Amino acid sequence: AQSVTQPDIHITVSEGASLELRCNYSYGATPYLFWYVQSPGQGLQLLLKYFSGDTLVQGIKGFEAEFKRSQSSFNLRKPSVHWSDAAEYFCAVVILTGGGNKLTFGTGTQLKVEL
Amino acid sequence: DTGVSQDPRHKITKRGQNVTFRCDPISEHNRLYWYRQTLGQGPEFLTYFQNEAQLEKSRLLSDRFSAERPKGSFSTLEIQRTEQGDSAMYLCASSLLEGEQYFGPGTRLTVT
Repeated sequence: AQSVTQPDIHITVSEGASLELRCNYSYGATPYLFWYVQSPGQGLQLLLKYFSGDTLVQGIKGFEAEFKRSQSSFNLRKPSVHWSDAAEYFCAVVILTGGGNKLTFGTGTQLKVEL
Repeated sequence: DTGVSQDPRHKITKRGQNVTFRCDPISEHNRLYWYRQTLGQGPEFLTYFQNEAQLEKSRLLSDRFSAERPKGSFSTLEIQRTEQGDSAMYLCASSLLEGEQYFGPGTRLTVT
């Protein structure tokens, strides 16, 4: 079965610093990959997705992610973090089975931004 | 487009009681998903509907759980005889057939 690993449970960065959140997946084929953000008490908002094509994808709020097949990774990056980016970030994968596109999520990375 | 809505946002119930949650998807979306999220974890898939048909259920969905989507629009998730282990955030999402999923704000259930 597919799985998603987010090795960093908590990350703290200073406002204005760059950010990279790690995500590794385990699956034999190329999955569809997503990054979601969740603010306290809120649902999940889609930041960006990778289906195929260009391995560097741009998302909302200045985020980008790069798919690296050789490393089974899909790391999220932002060149300059804002205090409002403090939230929990989830990497997720979908395997198209001909049925529903159910998401498998990682355990999340909690981002704290120091002013 | 008003997005996915869920009601109630919070529910506190005593162990053994039944609870029902409602999800209203984005109107043109034909797929609707339920997920459960416990503290410190990512959401876990429970079940999904395509129109009114429930096509897949996770092993997490015990016999005490039932979900419906009677007219292919809104959906309900009922938990019978709640247990403390049912305390979680219940998230609903909707999508077009092969599109990305849009999530509602969730219903936080606390079983005392």
